[in-house]
Amino acid sequence: AQSVTQLDSQVPVFEEAPVELRCNYSSSVSVYLFWYVQYPNQGLQLLLKYLSGSTLVKGINGFEAEFNKSQTSFHLRKPSVHISDTAEYFCAVSAWDNFNKFYFGSGTKLNVKP
Amino acid sequence: NAGVTQTPKFQVLKTGQSMTLQCAQDMNHEYMSWYRQDPGMGLRLIHYSVGAGITDQGEVPNGYNVSRSTTEDFPLRLLSAAPSQTSVYFCASSYSRASGNTIYFGEGSWLTVV
Repeated sequence: AQSVTQLDSQVPVFEEAPVELRCNYSSSVSVYLFWYVQYPNQGLQLLLKYLSGSTLVKGINGFEAEFNKSQTSFHLRKPSVHISDTAEYFCAVSAWDNFNKFYFGSGTKLNVKP
Repeated sequence: NAGVTQTPKFQVLKTGQSMTLQCAQDMNHEYMSWYRQDPGMGLRLIHYSVGAGITDQGEVPNGYNVSRSTTEDFPLRLLSAAPSQTSVYFCASSYSRASGNTIYFGEGSWLTVV
């Protein structure tokens, strides 16, 4: 089975500052990696995903993530955050041989302050 | 576009009562699943289905039943509600035959068991 660890439960940051949300995974097989965002009282929306190829993946709203196989990490970054980025972010993984089964991390709450 | 629709959005149950959370999708997705979201624990898979007539257990199936009589609908039944089932429930769907699928989530159902 796979597992996901999000190291920070909360990340406070000032508006226009850069941010990195950390995600590490564990798996004995190759994986697909995802970041989802959840705004208050809403469901989850896909930000970006890594399937194969280039390890730097760009997503919506100016977010990007880098897959690092040796460190089993998939950290999410944004060079300049906005108040509207305040939300909870979830990292998720699925295995190449069971790609419909997703495992989610515990989430990181990003709080952007003015 | 309707996407994934869940009802009800809010529900309060007494211990021992039964209820069904409804989920419907209009994207002709084969794969559907139910997650529960609890603070600090991310999303945990309850049950999933890879097509009509086929269901299987996820990480936390106890206390929940599902069935899949049509491609569109995937109801979740609580047979005898317990306070430990107080949570936010998300239904999700995806196209099962392609790797690296995007999951589409409903907006959630907030359930309180007193």
